[in-house]
Amino acid sequence: GNSVTQMEGPVTLSEEAFLTINCTYTATGYPSLFWYVQYPGEGLQLLLKATKADDKGSNKGFEATYRKETTSFHLEKGSVQVSDSAVYFCALEGGGATNKLIFGTGTLLAVQP
Amino acid sequence: NAGVMQNPRHLVRRRGQEARLRCSPMKGHSHVYWYRQLPEEGLKFMVYLQKENIIDESGMPKERFSAEFPKEGPSILRIQQVVRGDSAAYFCASSPKEGLPGNTIYFGEGSWLTVV
Repeated sequence: GNSVTQMEGPVTLSEEAFLTINCTYTATGYPSLFWYVQYPGEGLQLLLKATKADDKGSNKGFEATYRKETTSFHLEKGSVQVSDSAVYFCALEGGGATNKLIFGTGTLLAVQP
Repeated sequence: NAGVMQNPRHLVRRRGQEARLRCSPMKGHSHVYWYRQLPEEGLKFMVYLQKENIIDESGMPKERFSAEFPKEGPSILRIQQVVRGDSAAYFCASSPKEGLPGNTIYFGEGSWLTVV
């Protein structure tokens, strides 16, 4: 079945450092891929998405490219801020006629001033 | 434009009691998803509903858990005879249309259930 494997955390960076959070997937076909962010005590917010191979999703300085050759959707940001500290979840659509999502386990990012 | 509304935000129940969690989808959305987030884990799909219809309940525990989305009113996730292992954050999400690839689903802020 479809699954997502996500880089384990926590990831601790200094402000303005470069961020990469790895995400790889196993899927039948080419499902849409998503990154969600969860700030402490809050729900999930969509950060970005890509619906087909080679698409690049981007938002708030974050980017991720849908790579079917490597079945990956790594999240990157050139210069992180303290306010980016949160848990980041990679997800893919579970298939079938629904938009059910399958999530990775999440990666905690802590950015220090 | 109100987002997905969940209540209560925090709920404490004693073992053996019932927990009812409510979710009002975004305006214009007729599809609701429930997810559970256990401590230190990712979100796990539980159930997908349309109005008056359960479409996919493959993630629901076989016993004690039920969900509904009536024609009028919010979706309800009901947990009977709660146990400590039910302590988790329960998230509701909604979407406007069924099954279009890449549809964004919008999450509520969650209901945190603590069983004591």
